[in-house]
Amino acid sequence: DTAVSQTPKYLVTQMGNDKSIKCEQNLGHDTMYWYKQDSKKFLKIMFSYNNKELIINETVPNRFSPKSPDKAHLNLHINSLELGDSAVYFCASSQDLMTDGGYTFGSGTRLTVV
Amino acid sequence: KNEVEQSPQNLTAQEGEFITINCSYSVGISALHWLQQHPGGGIVSLFMLSSGKKKHGRLIATINIQEKHSSLHITASHPRDSAVYICAVRKSTSGSRLTFGEGTQLTVNP
Repeated sequence: DTAVSQTPKYLVTQMGNDKSIKCEQNLGHDTMYWYKQDSKKFLKIMFSYNNKELIINETVPNRFSPKSPDKAHLNLHINSLELGDSAVYFCASSQDLMTDGGYTFGSGTRLTVV
Repeated sequence: KNEVEQSPQNLTAQEGEFITINCSYSVGISALHWLQQHPGGGIVSLFMLSSGKKKHGRLIATINIQEKHSSLHITASHPRDSAVYICAVRKSTSGSRLTFGEGTQLTVNP
């Protein structure tokens, strides 16, 4: 039973295409995140949703549009992909915004734009 | 300058050695996390600390809130401990999101 599952694991696509990455958690957590890990392995927050509501949009280009149909899902849609979007994208969840609880990460989606 | 700094960036050890990875932060925090990322990429949460010390198997994590410093220790290191270890903080002013250090690449040779 995977707690936070992301699909696909690998995504190779051409510049200019539109793609989506899906994330689902079965932990009953209220808060979900998208993090980006660059080529130097540095992780940075992109978005945070709490109970389907956007909480954080960390100056991410508006080509990136997260969508949360319910609190168990947080999908990431990327329009007009650019070479610089190549990275590993991690979905994560935590219990809620305030509790100092643990984080659970998905296994990551390696996006390669060619 | 990053708000979360880790040292060393790279660490090579022989099997059996005691290992310490350090993390310093410059902001007020409500919690600090130690994460492990294996080759192949998945991230696993090892510890979440807000004070004191935690132990799990051969791993020990400590935090000194006054000095804004945390350490991750691995006793009797093993090649399977080879991974990137990442320190991340939950800032007091930033809700639940994490701010990350740049990670420490640990290689344990047999």
